[in-house]
Amino acid sequence: EPEVTQTPSHQVTQMGQEVILRCVPISNHLYFYWYRQILGQKVEFLVSFYNNEISEKSEIFDDQFSVERPDGSNFTLKIRSTKLEDSAMYFCASSKDQDGYTFGSGTRLTVV
Amino acid sequence: AQTVTQSQPEMSVQEAETVTLSCTYDTSENNYYLFWYKQPPSRQMILVIRQEAYKQQNATENRFSVNFQKAAKSFSLKISDSQLGDTAMYFCASQGAQKLVFGQGTRLTINP
Repeated sequence: EPEVTQTPSHQVTQMGQEVILRCVPISNHLYFYWYRQILGQKVEFLVSFYNNEISEKSEIFDDQFSVERPDGSNFTLKIRSTKLEDSAMYFCASSKDQDGYTFGSGTRLTVV
Repeated sequence: AQTVTQSQPEMSVQEAETVTLSCTYDTSENNYYLFWYKQPPSRQMILVIRQEAYKQQNATENRFSVNFQKAAKSFSLKISDSQLGDTAMYFCASQGAQKLVFGQGTRLTINP
């Protein structure tokens, strides 16, 4: 069964550093998403991406964050100048037609 | 704005029993989808079941079924013949334009 692949599975970074979280969505999917889950809390929407541009973003997704689809297969989330409160599980998801989402296994980001 | 509410933070049942997890939602969308996701300790998000709002028939997937009450905006999940492997966090989610909105989750424990 097709999968959404996320790398790395765990990333530790120092406060103030930039991180790039990588995702390979399912190949025939058209919609891509990033979600965040702070430990013990609910899953929160960050951003959706369609047709090579952001289609919607939450208030969490400020200038510190950016997304890119650099080569037609990867979908990346960049977090600039990381803060302690950015520590969370980050999930990538993809969807063919918005009625079914496949999630990756997540990247656990720890900011120290 | 879309909201999803899960009023049961934790539930615990004996193996082989039936358990029902509650979810209510609010949306202004006319056509939408509802989902239940399972999150085991590995923290991966696994789709359990999906309901299309325009379909009156309740969705079923093996031991999992939903009770979808559109007028009441209620979407509960019933797990029959519960198994130890069903122990996990369960999240209800509503799909509106461009994103999923998740509830706070219910931690379900199946006891031997």
